[in-house]
Amino acid sequence: AQSVTQLGSHVSVSEGALVLLRCNYSSSVPPYLFWYVQYPNQGLQLLLKYTTGATLVKGINGFEAEFKKSETSFHLTKPSAHMSDAAEYFCAVSEASGTYKYIFGTGTRLKVLA
Amino acid sequence: DAGVIQSPRHEVTEMGQEVTLRCKPISGHNSLFWYRQTMMRGLELLIYFNNNVPIDDSGMPEDRFSAKMPNASFSTLKIQPSEPRDSAVYFCASSQQSWANVLTFGAGSRLTVL
Repeated sequence: AQSVTQLGSHVSVSEGALVLLRCNYSSSVPPYLFWYVQYPNQGLQLLLKYTTGATLVKGINGFEAEFKKSETSFHLTKPSAHMSDAAEYFCAVSEASGTYKYIFGTGTRLKVLA
Repeated sequence: DAGVIQSPRHEVTEMGQEVTLRCKPISGHNSLFWYRQTMMRGLELLIYFNNNVPIDDSGMPEDRFSAKMPNASFSTLKIQPSEPRDSAVYFCASSQQSWANVLTFGAGSRLTVL
């Protein structure tokens, strides 16, 4: 069975500071990993995904994430936060062997302070 | 492409009434998902269609919930009769494959059952 844990339901950072949103997963088979972002009153949008290959994945809006198999982690980072980054972020996992079932984390709401 | 289109965006109804939510997936996408989002339970997969055929409806909470996909460009989620605990945001998402591909979400339908 797969699961996703996002540490911290709320994270606050100052504008210009590093953003670090944590995601740990559990999977008995090689996973595909995703980060989605949800802005108020909108659906989720893909930030980035890891399937195979390079473990450091770059996404939109300057975000990136690194797949660390030994730590079963897929943390999301951005070097410098912008006010427009304020949103809710969801980590998700699916089985690399092929499944439609994405397991979403409970989300982390990012607040950016001026 | 206009993306995944959902209607209505907001629905307020009284307990016992029938509710129908509609979704138009992205043209060419052969997989369609209905999710429900609540504060308590996060994002829950309700039902998954592949090539217009329901593959997994194990997430549908009760017999009061039903979903159809009569063709590749239209799906409905119906709740009859509705109850206050059905209040949530319902998302439709589509993808080109049933796994490992990006889910494109609609903006959601916010349902309030009084």
